[in-house]
Amino acid sequence: EDQVTQSPEALRLQEGESSSLNCSYTVSGLRGLFWYRQDPGKGPEFLFTLYSAGEEKEKERLKATLTKKESFLHITAPKPEDSATYLCAVQARSNDYKLSFGAGTTVTVRA
Amino acid sequence: DADVTQTPRNRITKTGKRIMLECSQTKGHDRMYWYRQDPGLGLQLIYYSFDVKDINKGEISDGYSVSRQAQAKFSLSLESAIPNQTALYFCATSDPGGGDTQYFGPGTRLTVL
Repeated sequence: EDQVTQSPEALRLQEGESSSLNCSYTVSGLRGLFWYRQDPGKGPEFLFTLYSAGEEKEKERLKATLTKKESFLHITAPKPEDSATYLCAVQARSNDYKLSFGAGTTVTVRA
Repeated sequence: DADVTQTPRNRITKTGKRIMLECSQTKGHDRMYWYRQDPGLGLQLIYYSFDVKDINKGEISDGYSVSRQAQAKFSLSLESAIPNQTALYFCATSDPGGGDTQYFGPGTRLTVL
C-alpha cells in the first residue's frame, strides 16, 4: 500500500526565514509526486509534479526536489502570503488515477 | 469563473437524511473524483469516474453513491447521513492526456448532527 508521511505537522516561520518541508513516501513504482497548496476553506491548488529522482521544480519562492524516498519543498525568504497547508501526494504507475495524500504541513509566516 | 464548482459550499443536516453534493467542471476533462478530508488525515478517495459510463469505488465508498450525469457533472450522494460523515468534500478533475494532474474544486463543508 502506498504511504505518504509529511513532517513537520506545523511550521511557524518569521518573514524571510527560509525552511524546508519533508514528504517521505513508499510506493510500488512511482509515476509522479505532486505538491499542492491549500488555503483555509479552499480546495487544494496544484503546485508541482516531479517524476524522477534528481528532478527539481521552482515557482516563485518555492522549490521542490525529489529523491527515491522523499521530496522536499523549500520555501526561500517566505512572506506572510505563503502561509497555507502544503500537501504531498504520490501516484503509482500501476494506478494512474489514484493519488495517496499525506496529512499536510501547515506553514504560518509571521510579518 | 472557476473551472471546478461545487454546490452547496456549506450544509448542515441531520442523521438519516439523504444529501446530494454536486460538482460541475468547464475544463473538458473526462476524469472526475470525489474525496473527503478529515482533520489530521490525508484526502481519501470516495469514488472516481473515467467517463460517463465508467464509475468506480475508491477507498471509502461505503455509505456513498455517485451519479455521472454528463462529462461535466458528477454528483455524490449520502443515502442516510451519519455524524461520522461530517467532513470537507472535494471534487477533482483530470485529463490523462495532460499529465493527469488533478484539479480541485472549492469544497463542501458538510456537518451531520
